[in-house]
Amino acid sequence: AQTVTQSQPEMSVQEAETVTLSCTYDTSESNYYLFWYKQPPSRQMILVIRQEAYKQQNATENRFSVNFQKAAKSFSLKISDSQLGDTAMYFCAFGKTSYDKVIFGPGTSLSVIP
Amino acid sequence: SQTIHQWPATLVQPVGSPLSLECTVEGTSNPNLYWYRQAAGRGLQLLFYSVGIGQISSEVPQNLSASRPQDRQFILSSKKLLLSDSGFYLCAWSPAVQETQYFGPGTRLLVL
Repeated sequence: AQTVTQSQPEMSVQEAETVTLSCTYDTSESNYYLFWYKQPPSRQMILVIRQEAYKQQNATENRFSVNFQKAAKSFSLKISDSQLGDTAMYFCAFGKTSYDKVIFGPGTSLSVIP
Repeated sequence: SQTIHQWPATLVQPVGSPLSLECTVEGTSNPNLYWYRQAAGRGLQLLFYSVGIGQISSEVPQNLSASRPQDRQFILSSKKLLLSDSGFYLCAWSPAVQETQYFGPGTRLLVL
């Protein structure tokens, strides 16, 4: 069975600094998809970034980038120039085409300190 | 563009009362639909998902049920609520499992 682990329940970072959130997953599949979702205090879940496993190039989205290490089954999220609006719960998630659901990790609560 | 609606936004119900939460999607057809529950400060628990009308997969055995009477309508129900049913309920849709999930605004349910 697929599992997603986020080993950091809580993290904090100073405004304008860089922070990395870790995520590891377990699968025997070779073709799958990985996601990072953000849930701010409003509780509205939104996608931060998406990575296709067959692509070696790490996905980036403005200040957000990932470090995808397929062999290590690691998918960390780097947030550069942290802003107060980045304060949120961050969920790592795994999905595959032959599997109709997405597996979410337990989440990391990130606080950006002014 | 696609939008997802959930209602009500907040609900306070007594133990033993029935429940019906509705989720509708606009601007797309044949979406994958999902119901999640989230306890305060916790992760997402997948309750049900559906890949088509009348097709419901249950992830967690409990006193909740789901139905998909129309292509873009997903309903979460209970005949008798328990205290443990309190939580934040999120509906989501995606074009396919490998695509982004788009979440509704959620329903806060408090069972007293």
